[in-house]
Amino acid sequence: QVQLQQSGPGLVKPSQSLSLTCAISGDSVSSNNAAWNWIRQSPSRGLEWLGRTYYRSKWYNDYALSVKSRITINPDTSKNQFSLQLNSVTPEDTAVYYCARDSGSYPLGDWGQGTLVTVSS
Amino acid sequence: SYELTQPPSVSVSPGQTARITCSGDALPKKYAYWYQQKSGQAPVLVIYEDSKRPSGIPERFSGSSSGTMATLIISGAQVEDEADFYCYSTDTSGNHVFGTGTKVTVL
Repeated sequence: QVQLQQSGPGLVKPSQSLSLTCAISGDSVSSNNAAWNWIRQSPSRGLEWLGRTYYRSKWYNDYALSVKSRITINPDTSKNQFSLQLNSVTPEDTAVYYCARDSGSYPLGDWGQGTLVTVSS
Repeated sequence: SYELTQPPSVSVSPGQTARITCSGDALPKKYAYWYQQKSGQAPVLVIYEDSKRPSGIPERFSGSSSGTMATLIISGAQVEDEADFYCYSTDTSGNHVFGTGTKVTVL
């Protein structure tokens, strides 16, 4: 059974970078059958898919157009985890952030516990 | 940008059938997926590829899709089914989108 454990700060100052990590157990970040996503949820924006990373003989990334200029999702094979970095944050980036796994026919079939990130000075 | 439109709320009496719609221009070509989110919890996949049910999801949850509309059906709704429900799909350019969400009340 796959488990995803999120970590990272809950408070970030405006204009700085938001960084979160999702540790994987029960699967490999390098799996050829999985993809690793970040999603966020806020009252104003609802659920918003941010992007994903996946390995198919080489690494690929897909990003949402709304954050494409500010986002990086990286795998860390040595620690079997992946990370989110969102640059130049504003209060509009305040949300609960989730990591989630795509596997086979099950997109976003497994989720982390969620992390509330508040952007405030 | 691509949008998936859902009704804000649906109310149903226990034991009755609830239908939640999701409208999107790319749905004739793309699968719809449905997630249930209870208060304070992460979403849970209840329907994939329009009409398939993951293991462990009760049989009262079913799905269908026709044209630009996908539908989640809860047959014989239970009080424990109260939650927010979201559809999810992609547009023809590969952008991933969630629906606007529907609050289901069972009373």
